[in-house]
Amino acid sequence: EAGVAQSPRYKIIEKRQSVAFWCNPISGHATLYWYQQILGQGPKLLIQFQNNGVVDDSQLPKDRFSAERLKGVDSTLKIQPAKLEDSAVYLCASSPINYRVGYEQYFGPGTRLTVT
Amino acid sequence: QKEVEQNSGPLSVPEGAIASLNCTYSDRGSQSFFWYRQYSGKSPELIMSIYSNGDKEDGRFTAQLNKASQYVSLLIRDSQPSDSATYLCVMTSGGYNKLIFGAGTRLAVHP
Repeated sequence: EAGVAQSPRYKIIEKRQSVAFWCNPISGHATLYWYQQILGQGPKLLIQFQNNGVVDDSQLPKDRFSAERLKGVDSTLKIQPAKLEDSAVYLCASSPINYRVGYEQYFGPGTRLTVT
Repeated sequence: QKEVEQNSGPLSVPEGAIASLNCTYSDRGSQSFFWYRQYSGKSPELIMSIYSNGDKEDGRFTAQLNKASQYVSLLIRDSQPSDSATYLCVMTSGGYNKLIFGAGTRLAVHP
């Protein structure tokens, strides 16, 4: 079974530029998550999709971050314009749709973003 | 603000010893708890899940949950250098399997 795919793996941009990340979840997984992990911290959920609908985006800085999941499969996360504090690893995860509490999330390799 | 608190470490243990990792959480309504392991430069991977009070054992790992004290722990028996990583304590919050991560405890197992 193929895992969660993400690209690019690394990105370096200057502040005020824009950047986009792509994620393809495990086939058949209805739920997709984007996390931000700043060095020395645990991952923080930015947005959660169930199929192509958003179920939680409470911690997404909506003035600069946007995300979409067209057709309920792959997803893109965009930052425009980037700030220095956006330097982090952006992790995508997926899980099957399951109403039992606490189903496992599978993480992709992440995209390391450096904003200079 | 629902939180998970962990000691950042590093926790240093000799090879073959028992490593004990602890965390506390703030959300009394949380039903599910996990331990994820994260090697440097890699993404988190699930190693244990626990849903009810008591102990759960899986190989060299034992997770312990005490909901009354809002306390979760992970014991690693016969620690190996390959166990050296950051261990993230995680709870669920809300109805959509949202995960709240602690900052992690760095474990170093020395030969």
